[in-house]
Amino acid sequence: NAGVTQTPKFQVLKTGQSMTLQCAQDMNHEYMSWYRQDPGMGLRLIHYSVGAGITDQGEVPNGYNVSRSTTEDFPLRLLSAAPSQTSVYFCASSPSGGDNNEQFFGPGTRLTVL
Amino acid sequence: AQSVTQLDSHVSVSEGTPVLLRCNYSSSYSPSLFWYVQHPNKGLQLLLKYTSAATLVKGINGFEAEFKKSETSFHLTKPSAHMSDAAEYFCVVSDQAGGSYIPTFGRGTSLIVHP
Repeated sequence: NAGVTQTPKFQVLKTGQSMTLQCAQDMNHEYMSWYRQDPGMGLRLIHYSVGAGITDQGEVPNGYNVSRSTTEDFPLRLLSAAPSQTSVYFCASSPSGGDNNEQFFGPGTRLTVL
Repeated sequence: AQSVTQLDSHVSVSEGTPVLLRCNYSSSYSPSLFWYVQHPNKGLQLLLKYTSAATLVKGINGFEAEFKKSETSFHLTKPSAHMSDAAEYFCVVSDQAGGSYIPTFGRGTSLIVHP
């Protein structure tokens, strides 16, 4: 059981480039989410999904797109990278979006935008 | 709207002494509360959670937290700190505002443990 996996671990982009951060889970969890972590800010929710084909915006969705075509995968797309998107990105999953569900986190992707 | 405040950005203790990490929350509903730990360059791991059952919650690695509704607090404690406890700790609140459970993270408390 690999849990939640994220690729790549590190990425450097130039302003204006696009890329996709990959996230996959093998626990058959319905709920998946993307966060960004910035120093002193905690984790902020970008987008989340309560099941295949269903996505919704979180607290800081601007500049990011997501899709959920399968239960296992939840990629995050940066459309036109900006320096303000330099951050550490975490993907998480949980059995459902209920209030008492533990979230399982991936190891993170450290993104630098020049 | 829900919110969470971690009252200390850094806490420094000596090995073997008690740990107290403070968290206050705000919620219009009956919230669920969580503590997560993040070791350097790692993802987050659940320490413990409160979901309207017992108000004193025991977690992994000797940590526990007490839900106090009258004080809107959920402080994390441990009787004796280990060097391996040095990490970032996040308090999280989640309620059903708007019909879905979207967790809100505190800004984190960095625990420093001195030998």
